[in-house]
Amino acid sequence: KNQVEQSPQSLIILEGKNCTLQCNYTVSPFSNLRWYKQDTGRGPVSLTIMTFSENTKSNGRYTATLDADTKQSSLHITASQLSDSASYICVYIKAAGNKLTFGGGTRVLVKP
Amino acid sequence: DAGVIQSPRHEVTEMGQEVTLRCKPISGHDYLFWYRQTMMRGLELLIYFNNNVPIDDSGMPEDRFSAKMPNASFSTLKIQPSEPRDSAVYFCASSKLAGARNEQFFGPGTRLTVL
Repeated sequence: KNQVEQSPQSLIILEGKNCTLQCNYTVSPFSNLRWYKQDTGRGPVSLTIMTFSENTKSNGRYTATLDADTKQSSLHITASQLSDSASYICVYIKAAGNKLTFGGGTRVLVKP
Repeated sequence: DAGVIQSPRHEVTEMGQEVTLRCKPISGHDYLFWYRQTMMRGLELLIYFNNNVPIDDSGMPEDRFSAKMPNASFSTLKIQPSEPRDSAVYFCASSKLAGARNEQFFGPGTRLTVL
């Protein structure tokens, strides 16, 4: 069982609408959690990073939230644009070391 | 800075052939990572280097895979002999420092197809 589970696997939304992606993690001890955006044919790019003491972090129209007690994070996309079509990957990073644990990703398609 | 550079972007080869993937990290970054991405398994760390020295290769799937970093600006991932199940996108990433707060910057990837 993957230590970082994301849902849904994919979703389609209309341009201008909002959506929320979910990430549940089981690994511990917690250090940092990142959300990455991966456009088709490109490498992942970091959107946000949160420590266990941070509840929310925004990057433009992207807002990530974290509940360290329930080990859940979400990524909210506001007023979606066609360029938001991509895979969004939740990544857990342990306190020590450099190894990232990746979720399976959510593929988002924004339609006009 | 041009970012992490990988070559080739696409590689198609036949089973049994040797494949070499190349990576140039961002200048000044001391850490280099090789990842593999498949639909079934997502992104997986294969190996990472610090100051050109391999630190953790526990993700390398088998002896057919090897990685080198002869200097701070170049690394290779070699598969010999290649098999169809090696078909995947291989990413190289680099970071300046260690630790969870230091972002890893990914290259565009090499899409490998083994027939």
